[in-house]
Formats: sequence, C-alpha cells, structure tokens
Amino acid sequence: DSGVTQTPKHLITATGQRVTLRCSPRSGDLSVYWYQQSLDQGLQFLIQYYNGEERAKGNILERFSAQQFPDLHSELNLSSLELGDSALYFCASSVETLGPSDGGGELFFGEGSRLTVL
Amino acid sequence: AQTVTQSQPEMSVQEAETVTLSCTYDTSESDYYLFWYKQPPSRQMILVIRQEAYKQQNATENRFSVNFQKAAKSFSLKISDSQLGDAAMYFCAYRSSFNAGGTSYGKLTFGQGTILTVHP
Repeated sequence: DSGVTQTPKHLITATGQRVTLRCSPRSGDLSVYWYQQSLDQGLQFLIQYYNGEERAKGNILERFSAQQFPDLHSELNLSSLELGDSALYFCASSVETLGPSDGGGELFFGEGSRLTVL
Repeated sequence: AQTVTQSQPEMSVQEAETVTLSCTYDTSESDYYLFWYKQPPSRQMILVIRQEAYKQQNATENRFSVNFQKAAKSFSLKISDSQLGDAAMYFCAYRSSFNAGGTSYGKLTFGQGTILTVHP
C-alpha cells in the first residue's frame, strides 16, 4: 500500500460526458502528479500541483483540468470525453523536502483510475 | 527537455537466470535521479530501485542492481536469480532535482517500458 488513494477505481462513461477523478496523497506529501497511461503505453505526465499551486504542466488537453485543495487532495476533471481518452489515470505524490534526507525523490503511485469511454 | 529511451520492448528470461534491461536518457542537467519502476498485471506502479546521479556507486536492492554510466547516460537494470513474480512491465524514469521554480522536484519522465517474461 503506497498510501496514495484514488477513486473511483473503475469508471465507464459515454462520449461527451464529464468525469472527476480524485486523489488523496500520502500524509505529509505536498506534491501531487497526474499521469495518463493509454493501452500498452508509457506514462504521460499531465500536471503537477505543489501545496495548492500548479507547478508544472505536461501534454494535458484543454478539455482536462485539475486542482489541489487546501487539504492537499487533488481532482482531475475530464470533459467532453472522447474514445481516445480511455486510459488508466495515475495520481502520485512525493515529499518535496530537498536535501540529503529527501527520500531520494521517489514518487508514490496510487492504484490508478481506469476510465473507459464508450 | 529530458527524454528516456528503452530500446527493448520485450525481454524474456528463464527462472533463476539473470537478465539486463537497458535504458538511456538525454539531459543537460548534472543533478538528477533515476528510477526503475515495475508494473505487474495489477497495473500498480512499484519502485524497484533508485539512483542519485551524484553517487558514483551503483545502487543495489537484493536481486536488483543497476549499472549507472553517467557519461554515457545509461542506466541498466540487472535482475539476478529471476523469479516468476518478476514478470511485469519495467519502466525506467528520470527526475530532475529541481523544477523551473527551483523549489521542488521536477516531474518524472518515463521510458516506454520493457515487458519482461519469466519462463519456468
């Protein structure tokens, strides 16, 4: 158990719909990352939040948005869904205390949310 | 931007044998981290081993070890005494020590993965 919780684990919806994926990071982790993994593909970075602020953005579509709340949980909103959005969406969190005791920069991943768009 | 390349889409090994997975990366940074993550059929991402770029000594975790060649930008994973439970997709990943703001780490950049099959 990584300590990162993602809900829902599975989601089936139709094209054109909107869904929200939720992530609770490990206790004490300030950074949350969202990744997309399409079938048999690598993990593509979508967006990073650090202590409530957007810190980095990857190849995230304009139809997608995210936020991190004061309690540090994060939500990824996917709208106007298309068939190609079907994927496994991972959330990860990490300690961001830089220095010798920083834990080596490891990201801890949730179990992912499997989105199927029909 | 950093890139990570895994040139072996698939590898196979006999149980109890040794296998090496290859990874190369491209960066202009001098301080960074490298990781190998394992993704079994459950799809959970599991950290196998990490390497800090400033450390010359190769990291080792039980049956897993790396060959880190900083000048060559190469980071291979060796699995000794392979077990059936090692069968999974393995991802090599790169992480900057700092992001553009300089106050937190950069994102993790993954290679495309290598599917490892272990034969009994």
